[in-house]
Amino acid sequence: DQQVKQNSPSLSVQEGRISILNCDYTNSMFDYFLWYKKYPAEGPTFLISISSIKDKNEDGRFTVFLNKSAKHLSLHIVPSQPGDSAVYFCAADLQGAQKLVFGQGTRLTINP
Amino acid sequence: GAGVSQSPRYKVAKRGQDVALRCDPISGHVSLFWYQQALGQGPEFLTYFQNEAQLDKSGLPSDRFFAERPEGSVSTLKIQRTQQEDSAVYLCASSLAGGRDTQYFGPGTRLTVL
Repeated sequence: DQQVKQNSPSLSVQEGRISILNCDYTNSMFDYFLWYKKYPAEGPTFLISISSIKDKNEDGRFTVFLNKSAKHLSLHIVPSQPGDSAVYFCAADLQGAQKLVFGQGTRLTINP
Repeated sequence: GAGVSQSPRYKVAKRGQDVALRCDPISGHVSLFWYQQALGQGPEFLTYFQNEAQLDKSGLPSDRFFAERPEGSVSTLKIQRTQQEDSAVYLCASSLAGGRDTQYFGPGTRLTVL
């Protein structure tokens, strides 16, 4: 069963607008969440993370929000830029178990 | 400095052949991870090393899969008697000391089993 789910396989956003990528999880024991970005033929690169003791973490244009009661997190990118076009993966870690559990990914396309 | 490197980048094998995939982690990184990414899916955990010790191999799908890191640096993932369902991208990642340290991924090896 999929413990981390990204229900939108793709998202298209106008350059300069806000991109919102969503992720849901089922295991309430997850206590650390991450977003990775992946370009074709490259490995995933770390973007931003959040601990379960927080509900928001911000880094430049990227903000991650965590809603523990809904078991939901989202990544906001504002303003969106053409270089943000990539596949975004949400991932969760289980109490330092050292093995990330990934969602299926969302392909983000930023249109000029 | 150099990132995580993997070789070969592409591998085509006939069903039943053995393959070996290599990962060179970032120098000085203690922890090393292997993930399998099927087409259209996210990476799935296979195994984890801290130095030369394999601390978790719970994600290895069968006893045909074997990983080693004998000197605590380079790691090899070996797949014996490959099957078509083994076709995937195999990603290696390393982190400085484990825990919540960021995992840095290599570009992956795309394995196609015919």
